[in-house]
Amino acid sequence: DAGITQSPRHKVTETGTPVTLRCHQTENHRYMYWYRQDPGHGLRLIHYSYGVKDTDKGEVSDGYSVSRSKTEDFLLTLESATSSQTSVYFCAILGSGSYEQYFGPGTRLTVT
Amino acid sequence: AQKITQTQPGMFVQEKEAVTLDCTYDTSDPSYGLFWYKQPSSGEMIFLIYQGSYDQQNATEGRYSLNFQKARKSANLVISASQLGDSAMYFCAMREGSRQAGTALIFGKGTTLSVSS
Repeated sequence: DAGITQSPRHKVTETGTPVTLRCHQTENHRYMYWYRQDPGHGLRLIHYSYGVKDTDKGEVSDGYSVSRSKTEDFLLTLESATSSQTSVYFCAILGSGSYEQYFGPGTRLTVT
Repeated sequence: AQKITQTQPGMFVQEKEAVTLDCTYDTSDPSYGLFWYKQPSSGEMIFLIYQGSYDQQNATEGRYSLNFQKARKSANLVISASQLGDSAMYFCAMREGSRQAGTALIFGKGTTLSVSS
């Protein structure tokens, strides 16, 4: 257990509304990641963070923004949700061995 | 081109038998890492095993071993003595570049393993 929680765990929202997903970790890990999982695609990187206020884009970053104002929290925001953003979102941290990533429990987001 | 290819959408095995899940990868970076994750029906992603590109020996973790064939760019997962609880989706993933970079993982599309009694 890498001490990663995600909130909310499930959310249904309407097209055009803003949504923020939260990832919280308790073990002071420097690197944090947001992935989305869709059928037939595996997991794909949205954004990642390498420190407080240090973030970078991943493969599928369009329509998403992130913020990290403190070590333990990494927020993913959908400014105006679209149906194509219906997915399962996973947060991950880089483990203490500096190679393995540990994942949070996931957030299932449905955009209607 | 896909960087991680898992060609088996589904695999079926009986309890106590061994099973091999295939994974091939594509990278020109001499430094990389290969990972396997398990995703049971409950949805969480569970880290199973890691192999570094410079590691001389194949990685093993309990009943899991990684059959690393560098020249063939394959990193197959071998599960010995399958158990009913092994039924899950399995993902192969790769990290390119130096491990200090905290580089994100590139995932394959997964293989569903079904273990029957």
